[in-house]
Amino acid sequence: NAGVTQTPKFQVLKTGQSMTLQCAQDMNHEYMSWYRQDPGMGLRLIHYSVGAGITDQGEVPNGYNVSRSTTEDFPLRLLSAAPSQTSVYFCASSYSRTGGYYEQYFGPGTRLTVT
Amino acid sequence: GNSVTQMEGPVTLSEEAFLTINCTYTATGYPSLFWYVQYPGEGLQLLLKATKADDKGSNKGFEATYRKETTSFHLEKGSVQVSDSAVYFCALLSGGGADGLTFGKGTHLIIQP
Repeated sequence: NAGVTQTPKFQVLKTGQSMTLQCAQDMNHEYMSWYRQDPGMGLRLIHYSVGAGITDQGEVPNGYNVSRSTTEDFPLRLLSAAPSQTSVYFCASSYSRTGGYYEQYFGPGTRLTVT
Repeated sequence: GNSVTQMEGPVTLSEEAFLTINCTYTATGYPSLFWYVQYPGEGLQLLLKATKADDKGSNKGFEATYRKETTSFHLEKGSVQVSDSAVYFCALLSGGGADGLTFGKGTHLIIQP
């Protein structure tokens, strides 16, 4: 299994540009999520999905869109990039159990710079 | 809401020293607790976990005990190595877990030979 994969690894955008960060997992996990990591802030949840066709907002959703058309893929879209979105983005997935979810497995991250 | 507080670094130790990284939490109900490790330039890896009070998680010589009475989950290792240099994150998962992990800010550990 490849686990959780993310592309690209690095990206530089100009303010106002749009792009999609890709995330895929081959573990048949129902739960997928996106976090951003900023210095001194730990990781903060952006959006999450509990299954295909179902998404919800996390702690810091503004400026980001997501969709989940398949179990495997969970792309994150920046519609109009801003310098405040410069960060490292991590995708994660988790398997479910009765009553909830287990620990999450993380991808290698995408380092995004917005100039 | 949920929160995790951990000592901020950098923490610098000599090889073979004893390590403690403190972590305390605030959460509703009975959360699951985790330590993740991030090596330079890499993503997060699960280091250990505990899902109920008094559970001890352990892996690679690291240990942490879920203490409900003190709402703590301190990470310990008896003899650190240079290869343990990394950033360590304490995190919790509460309720059904659908709203994701709540992370501490991370502790940068530097081990000198």
